[in-house]
Amino acid sequence: KQEVTQIPAALSVPEGENLVLNCSFTDSAIYNLQWFRQDPGKGLTSLLLIQSSQREQTSGRLNASLDKSSGRSTLYIAASQPGDSATYLCAVRGSGGSNYKLTFGKGTLLTVNP
Amino acid sequence: EAQVTQNPRYLITVTGKKLTVTCSQNMNHEYMSWYRQDPGLGLRQIYYSMNVEVTDKGDVPEGYKVSRKEKRNFPLILESPSPNQTSLYFCASSWTASNSPLHFGNGTRLTVT
Repeated sequence: KQEVTQIPAALSVPEGENLVLNCSFTDSAIYNLQWFRQDPGKGLTSLLLIQSSQREQTSGRLNASLDKSSGRSTLYIAASQPGDSATYLCAVRGSGGSNYKLTFGKGTLLTVNP
Repeated sequence: EAQVTQNPRYLITVTGKKLTVTCSQNMNHEYMSWYRQDPGLGLRQIYYSMNVEVTDKGDVPEGYKVSRKEKRNFPLILESPSPNQTSLYFCASSWTASNSPLHFGNGTRLTVT
């Protein structure tokens, strides 16, 4: 059974700092990995999706990497801003044998202080 | 605007009173799914649908029903709600089941007393 772990559970940084959020998964037979952002009282917003054949994806100040063999992904946020404060979740999608099931981590609560 | 719309946003009900949470997407997505989010447990999949008339159980399907009669709609039905179904529910959709980003609705906060 796939298990997804995110460390740390919470992170507080000053504005402008570069930071890394970590995601690890136990079964490397994945189809892709997706990073989401969740604001309080809202749904999840997809940030980046990395296919299993890719090593990284970039969008603006965000860069996500994937090391499938070691079961790890990182989300790098450059020059953090208070507006980046949110909960960040990663989710891995299993390969066809598991009906493409998406398994979520419990998230990292990020606070960027002005 | 491309979106996933859930209704209602908030719902308080009593044990045993049947309810339906609606979900509609306007992106012509094939794949739709329901999740519940609970403190300490994260997001867990209830049911999913690969296409019209194709549905299957997720991790926590007990006490829930779904149907997919049209591509755009995927309602979640609680035939006899119980207090342990008090949760935050999310509907989501994507082009395909496998390699496209998942789009989420804004959630439905359900309280069963």
